[in-house]
Amino acid sequence: SQKIEQNSEALNIQEGKTATLTCNYTNYSPAYLQWYRQDPGRGPVFLLLIRENEKEKRKERLKVTFDTTLKQSLFHITASQPADSATYLCALDRYGGSQGNLIFGKGTKLSVKP
Amino acid sequence: GAVVSQHPSRVICKSGTSVKIECRSLDFQATTMFWYRQFPKQSLMLMATSNEGSKATYEQGVEKDKFLINHASLTLSTLTVTSAHPEDSSFYICSAPDLTSGGYEQYFGPGTRLTVT
Repeated sequence: SQKIEQNSEALNIQEGKTATLTCNYTNYSPAYLQWYRQDPGRGPVFLLLIRENEKEKRKERLKVTFDTTLKQSLFHITASQPADSATYLCALDRYGGSQGNLIFGKGTKLSVKP
Repeated sequence: GAVVSQHPSRVICKSGTSVKIECRSLDFQATTMFWYRQFPKQSLMLMATSNEGSKATYEQGVEKDKFLINHASLTLSTLTVTSAHPEDSSFYICSAPDLTSGGYEQYFGPGTRLTVT
């Protein structure tokens, strides 16, 4: 069955450093992959979407890579700030291009220390 | 950007009673909305797809008679948890796709924390 794994349950880094989060998937060939941010007790907030034919996508201090051979996506936050502390979720479309039927990883809780 | 609201944000109910949760798209129309459930330290699990004007599609293992979904308008979907039990206590979140961006980005509501005593 389709599986998404975010290997680190938690990641602690120092302010100013680059945070790198990993998302791996198996038994699946997604058309795109998404990253969301979730704060405690809140719904997820969309950050970035990367398609299968894109290797890299950037948005301000965020960068996402997508390696369909390794079945892996990396999510980077450069010059991290305490305000970046949150849980970050990766998500795949379940049926290949469907609009919204997503499978989510468990998330990585990022803590940025001042 | 698109905004999705949910009401209530928190609800406590007694075992055996029913609870209705509303999900509204505030500045866009949503023919499709999605209902997720999230247990502590777990990932979001899709429960059902809510379709405006037609029956909802439920994921495997989700009881459609227990989790009633009504999508009566292009901006409102409701989830009713019937005969709630303590094991239904969870964080319920709805989402809707932003079709102006192709429909792949999901806009999530703030969630509803349900506690069944």
